[in-house]
Amino acid sequence: GQQVMQIPQYQHVQEGEDFTTYCNSSTTLSNIQWYKQRPGGHPVFLIQLVKSGEVKKQKRLTFQFGEAKKNSSLHITATQTTDVGTYFCAGFNFGNEKLTFGTGTRLTIIP
Amino acid sequence: DVKVTQSSRYLVKRTGEKVFLECVQDMDHENMFWYRQDPGLGLRLIYFSYDVKMKEKGDIPEGYSVSREKKERFSLILESASTNQTSMYLCASSFGIGTNTGELFFGEGSRLTVL
Repeated sequence: GQQVMQIPQYQHVQEGEDFTTYCNSSTTLSNIQWYKQRPGGHPVFLIQLVKSGEVKKQKRLTFQFGEAKKNSSLHITATQTTDVGTYFCAGFNFGNEKLTFGTGTRLTIIP
Repeated sequence: DVKVTQSSRYLVKRTGEKVFLECVQDMDHENMFWYRQDPGLGLRLIYFSYDVKMKEKGDIPEGYSVSREKKERFSLILESASTNQTSMYLCASSFGIGTNTGELFFGEGSRLTVL
C-alpha cells in the first residue's frame, strides 16, 4: 500500500536556526497537505500543494512539492519557540481515495 | 468555527470489552475519518466515510468497525478491545467534492488505554 515517510524523525535546533523536514511517498500523489501538531494538541492544517513543482510561502514557512509529485518539503527560516511541535505531511491519492499521513518530524527549539 | 467533538478524552477499558468512540462535527462536512496516532508511526487511517451509511477501510481496519447513520456523526467501534489497541484516536472531518478531500479538521482526540 501507499507509504509516506518523513525525515528526520526528530530535530533539535537553536532558536533562530533554520529547519527542514522532508516527505517521500512510495506512489505519485494527487496533492499533499501539511499539518502542525503542538504538544498536547491535535493536528492543524497548514497548507495544500497540488501542482508539480509548486512552491508556497507562509511568512517564515516555505513548502515545496516535487516535480514528480512524490516528495515534498517544509522549510522554516529563523525558528522561534512558537514553531515547536510535530509537523506531518499527508499525501492524497485519487486512485485509492486515501489521505495517508507521514510519520512526522518533531521539532524542539533550544532557546 | 468548525467544531469536531469526540465524546471522551480519556478511557480505560479491559481486554475483551466493547468500546464505542463517538465523533460529531457541526459543519455539514461530507467526509469523516478515524485515525490512530502512535509514537514514531504518525497517524494511521482506520476507516473513512464520504457519505452517510458509506464506509471504506483505511490502512489498519482490523479489529475495528464504524457506523455513520447520520451525516454529522461517525462512530468507531472496537468489538473486543485488546491491549495493542491502546492508543490516541483522532477523528477528523472535511468538506470534499466527491472524493477530493480538503483540509481536515481534527477533534481533540480520545486516549484509550486497554488493560
